[in-house]
Amino acid sequence: EAQVTQNPRYLITVTGKKLTVTCSQNMNHEYMSWYRQDPGLGLRQIYYSMNVEVTDKGDVPEGYKVSRKEKRNFPLILESPSPNQTSLYFCASSPGTTNNEQFFGPGTRLTVL
Amino acid sequence: EDQVTQSPEALRLQEGESSSLNCSYTVSGLRGLFWYRQDPGKGPEFLFTLYSAGEEKEKERLKATLTKKESFLHITAPKPEDSATYLCAVQASDYKLSFGAGTTVTVRA
Repeated sequence: EAQVTQNPRYLITVTGKKLTVTCSQNMNHEYMSWYRQDPGLGLRQIYYSMNVEVTDKGDVPEGYKVSRKEKRNFPLILESPSPNQTSLYFCASSPGTTNNEQFFGPGTRLTVL
Repeated sequence: EDQVTQSPEALRLQEGESSSLNCSYTVSGLRGLFWYRQDPGKGPEFLFTLYSAGEEKEKERLKATLTKKESFLHITAPKPEDSATYLCAVQASDYKLSFGAGTTVTVRA
């Protein structure tokens, strides 16, 4: 089954404790992206990648890191999480090198205390 | 700055009661407009892409249309399974994607 998977689905952590949210897709897609979704604000892009070893900042990259060492994986790293990073996070992928017609993962709900 | 505004924020419909959702936008060079559906606890699911004014796309009870300033998502004779949040997104000439906050549709049997 074609899908985007994220782990963990739920995470409660404390300020400053480094964490990684994994994202994997099995569709051989070139483009992958991370979004956060907050009430009333819509989805906002954090980082994206058009191919292996190619990443770029989205609208809200501060406090986040990403890497794209393999085509299928695109982990999101929070080196020192803060409470304002409490949010619902989505990973997405799409064929080609743009953000057309994206397939989204199930989401990761992160709470930073 | 690109902006996407969706209205209404919430819409409650009786089964069979047709209605429309609005997505108005300002963008520097529209490359494409996308509609997604999001069910509670899930990620958005792609519905349509519209590229130019006058274009229309249909899928089951949903029909999306596009003008130079807005897009409409028409829901004809909705069923309870059409209950979801519908998201609109615009892609600018630099491929930057901006999402609206969504319209939550509830269809009562």
